[in-house]
Amino acid sequence: EAQVTQNPRYLITVTGKKLTVTCSQNMNHEYMSWYRQDPGLGLRQIYYSMNVEVTDKGDVPEGYKVSRKEKRNFPLILESPSPNQTSLYFCASSLSANRGSYEQYFGPGTRLTVT
Amino acid sequence: LAKTTQPISMDSYEGQEVNITCSHNNIATNDYITWYQQFPSQGPRFIIQGYKTKVTNEVASLFIPADRKSSTLSLPRVSLSDTAVYYCLVGDRAKDTGRRALTFGSGTRLQVQP
Repeated sequence: EAQVTQNPRYLITVTGKKLTVTCSQNMNHEYMSWYRQDPGLGLRQIYYSMNVEVTDKGDVPEGYKVSRKEKRNFPLILESPSPNQTSLYFCASSLSANRGSYEQYFGPGTRLTVT
Repeated sequence: LAKTTQPISMDSYEGQEVNITCSHNNIATNDYITWYQQFPSQGPRFIIQGYKTKVTNEVASLFIPADRKSSTLSLPRVSLSDTAVYYCLVGDRAKDTGRRALTFGSGTRLQVQP
């Protein structure tokens, strides 16, 4: 089954404790992306990757890191989480963005709480 | 960045046709227009995508005028389960720098009543 998986689904952590949210897709997609969604602010792109070893900032990259060492995986790293990073996070993938097509498949989401 | 504008909310009744329009004045020449549906606490789900004129699938139709500065998602005979937020998405119109960042609009909250 074609899918995007994220782990963990729920996470409560404390300020400053490094964490990683994993994202994996089994569709051989080139384009992968991370979004955060907050009440009243919609979906905002954090980082995206157009292919292995190619990443770039989205609208709200501050406080986050990503890497794309393999095509299927795109982890999101919070080196020193702060309470303002409490949010619902979604990973997404699409075949390619080069042709202007953005048919993205989204993961189930990770609800992160930073206290 | 390309900006989309949609109505914040819409109300409808079961069995009616619903049309949601999105404005995207700065759409890039090569970019498609994509619509998503999102239920609370779930990831957005792809509904339909088009480049120009009309596209139809088993779920919806998408109408795009010749100037491509807007698009209309049409949901035929909505049911209670169509209550959700609907987003349109277009790419970045800036000179081709290689960037492919994406910016979702604020979405349209559709409420379907019995």
